[in-house]
Amino acid sequence: AQTVTQSQPEMSVQEAETVTLSCTYDTSESDYYLFWYKQPPSRQMILVIRQEAYKQQNATENRFSVNFQKAAKSFSLKISDSQLGDAAMYFCAYRNSGNTPLVFGKGTRLSVIA
Amino acid sequence: DAGVIQSPRHEVTEMGQEVTLRCKPISGHDYLFWYRQTMMRGLELLIYFNNNVPIDDSGMPEDRFSAKMPNASFSTLKIQPSEPRDSAVYFCASSFALSPLHFGNGTRLTVT
Repeated sequence: AQTVTQSQPEMSVQEAETVTLSCTYDTSESDYYLFWYKQPPSRQMILVIRQEAYKQQNATENRFSVNFQKAAKSFSLKISDSQLGDAAMYFCAYRNSGNTPLVFGKGTRLSVIA
Repeated sequence: DAGVIQSPRHEVTEMGQEVTLRCKPISGHDYLFWYRQTMMRGLELLIYFNNNVPIDDSGMPEDRFSAKMPNASFSTLKIQPSEPRDSAVYFCASSFALSPLHFGNGTRLTVT
């Protein structure tokens, strides 16, 4: 079974600085998808960014980018120019190439310090 | 597009009572998922449906839990009888084919 590990339960960053959240996963598949979801205090789950395993280029969405290392099974999220609104729980998630359910990590709580 | 709609947003009930959580997926989506979120266990998949048919219910914790999807626009998750350890946030999510999951705002269940 696939597993997703987020080794940092909590992180903090100064406003306008850059922070990187770590995620590793375990799978024997070669084709899969990886996601980062944000959960603010409102508890809504918001998709931040997704990466297809067959793509070598790292995904980028505005201030959010990933460092996808397929051989190392690592998928970190970098947030640049951190804003107060970035404070939230961040979940890393994995899905096989079929439309199978997402497997989530335990999450990292990010605090942004003004 | 109204998104995935869950009701109620909050539910407080006493141990032993029946609880029914409701979900309306996004129109046109053919997959529906029920997840449970707790501090200890994070986000766990309970059950998911494809075209209204349950595909995998191995995550349903006990026989006290049941889920139905009578049509493409409605699903329920029922707990009978409820217990304090069932207290959690329950999320419904839907997707079409390989599109990313869209989540509802969740139902916070408190069982006293």
